[in-house]
Amino acid sequence: DTEVTQTPKHLVMGMTNKKSLKCEQHMGHRAMYWYKQKAKKPPELMFVYSYEKLSINESVPSRFSPECPNSSLLNLHLHALQPEDSALYLCASSQFAGRNEKLFFGSGTQLSVL
Amino acid sequence: GQQLNQSPQSMFIQEGEDVSMNCTSSSIFNTWLWYKQEPGEGPVLLIALYKAGELTSNGRLTAQFGITRKDSFLNISASIPSDVGIYFCAGYSGGGADGLTFGKGTHLIIQP
Repeated sequence: DTEVTQTPKHLVMGMTNKKSLKCEQHMGHRAMYWYKQKAKKPPELMFVYSYEKLSINESVPSRFSPECPNSSLLNLHLHALQPEDSALYLCASSQFAGRNEKLFFGSGTQLSVL
Repeated sequence: GQQLNQSPQSMFIQEGEDVSMNCTSSSIFNTWLWYKQEPGEGPVLLIALYKAGELTSNGRLTAQFGITRKDSFLNISASIPSDVGIYFCAGYSGGGADGLTFGKGTHLIIQP
């Protein structure tokens, strides 16, 4: 089973809303990631969690707040987003964080900010 | 950061044709991964390569880790309509970066 599950599949929110994206994996992976992807562009790394601790924050604005409640779950809390934040948000996991690891991606949440 | 140059940017081919795409870098990479992404979905891992010169197949797909460790190739034989999508190369460099570096993608379009 190489499945990473993301919910919701689609999300529309206003700039004053607060919403959360959820990600779950049951592969026993100890690293989880959030990526942002604009249409027809490669994914861009946002955050990396290793053993439930935030290990990389790629200078992401504070309106994006990640949370890792346990080794299987990863959330991304959204608040006061801007229209330019509209994108596909991808969660991924790997056995460990670091080099040479295969990343497995979820289907993503297509976010539209109005 | 590290950069991967992926080409071609897009390909328009006939069903049944073979496809070749590649990624190059000015830096040495330790691992190459090839992903396929369809509209509205996340990238799906196709092939992982770990050793210079390694040649690995997955059905009609074949990928190679270049001897110089600065490039990788993906070939698709006898393309079919479901091969349509964007193919991304990705890799880990030897320069100490912690995350995957992605190429810009090759958009494959198949005309029946």
